[in-house]
Amino acid sequence: GAVVSQHPSWVICKSGTSVKIECRSLDFQATTMFWYRQFPKQSLMLMATSNEGSKATYEQGVEKDKFLINHASLTLSTLTVTSAHPEDSSFYICSASPLGERDSPLHFGNGTRLTVT
Amino acid sequence: GENVEQHPSTLSVQEGDSAVIKCTYSDSASNYFPWYKQELGKGPQLIIDIRSNVGEKKDQRIAVTLNKTAKHFSLHITETQPEDSAVYFCAAIGAGGTSYGKLTFGQGTILTVHP
Repeated sequence: GAVVSQHPSWVICKSGTSVKIECRSLDFQATTMFWYRQFPKQSLMLMATSNEGSKATYEQGVEKDKFLINHASLTLSTLTVTSAHPEDSSFYICSASPLGERDSPLHFGNGTRLTVT
Repeated sequence: GENVEQHPSTLSVQEGDSAVIKCTYSDSASNYFPWYKQELGKGPQLIIDIRSNVGEKKDQRIAVTLNKTAKHFSLHITETQPEDSAVYFCAAIGAGGTSYGKLTFGQGTILTVHP
């Protein structure tokens, strides 16, 4: 149980375009999902916390107008990288935990490899 | 906020040997400490976790110990196998201030098990 699915698994886009990444909890509901970014050979860095039905909260240094987050339902959060640039190329990973289990294991998706050319 | 330090950054062992990875954390209010295994091109997979009311937890070849007083926790893998080769991350969920409810990761350990 507790499967988190991300789509797409990889995407290549041209500089200046926007890319949307989906994160779905397949067999549980989640009011909160988290978006992480991971550069090669580095750890995961939290970008933002996605809250169902309300605005996302962003970590310091993360541009909210560039990384648009929408959490329209209890099973889906989307991250849109707007006006992407080569420096946005990274591995984006989402995570979620079941509703009401704040300190329960966080389950991660398999990530989305974004390459901006 | 929470700060998690992980050592070593790389660890190379022979098949059958044990591997130990250590982490320290800064937020004394943190109460949940998971360990993740990440294979190339994939998301992190939870392998074991421990809560602050427990000092040790074991699951087959994997064990985790927690010392709340010293604010450190360790991952122990016994009888290592080549398929254990991966990047391992420790993490802590902060419970105070701006860290509340957020998972903070260590820097990761690249474990290589030689056949």
